[in-house]
Amino acid sequence: EDKVVQSPLSLVVHEGDTVTLNCSYEVTNFRSLLWYKQEKKAPTFLFMLTSSGIEKKSGRLSSILDKKELFSILNITATQTGDSAVYLCAVGGSKKLVFGKGTKLTVNP
Amino acid sequence: DTAVSQTPKYLVTQMGNDKSIKCEQNLGHDTMYWYKQDSKKFLKIMFSYNNKELIINETVPNRFSPKSPDKAHLNLHINSLELGDSAVYFCASSLEGRVSGNTIYFGEGSWLTVV
Repeated sequence: EDKVVQSPLSLVVHEGDTVTLNCSYEVTNFRSLLWYKQEKKAPTFLFMLTSSGIEKKSGRLSSILDKKELFSILNITATQTGDSAVYLCAVGGSKKLVFGKGTKLTVNP
Repeated sequence: DTAVSQTPKYLVTQMGNDKSIKCEQNLGHDTMYWYKQDSKKFLKIMFSYNNKELIINETVPNRFSPKSPDKAHLNLHINSLELGDSAVYFCASSLEGRVSGNTIYFGEGSWLTVV
């Protein structure tokens, strides 16, 4: 059975801290791993990873995939209160996208 | 025995026309979606319906109107088509009306070309 497991489920930090969110998966016919940020209803796309060891970076956010160990991490440096959200990991298989339960990040001033 | 099916698969039409894309799922899911795949191959959600009720409506021009006659169907109607509407549109469904901890099943896509 396909599954995506994210950890931790929730995290509370102070502004300026660096956080690492984890995503491990078991999905048949792996195509890609995606990270989303969800603040309101619809998740906002962050990164798509298809190759191992290649870091994707966007501002203070970065992510990397390890296809051998079947996991990915999302790093956020110098966190801001605006980073507070649920971060979702999704793994794309054949005609489906399996989502993890998300990590709820709270950044306090 | 297709789970999520959408028609037509390919559609070429002139600017200004009105067209519809139909979607049906036989998975017994409560929630259906329309996504648009942009030029970078990223999927962006457009609409989401849960039991025929609109629950997600992203910033999409009013020319796009979804219609859900029942929970197994979600059609997408596009008025006054523009060149920029050319894209692949994916229909999808999931058991519950949230992506967290869920699996979303996709149709094979409808390739719309506006000329």
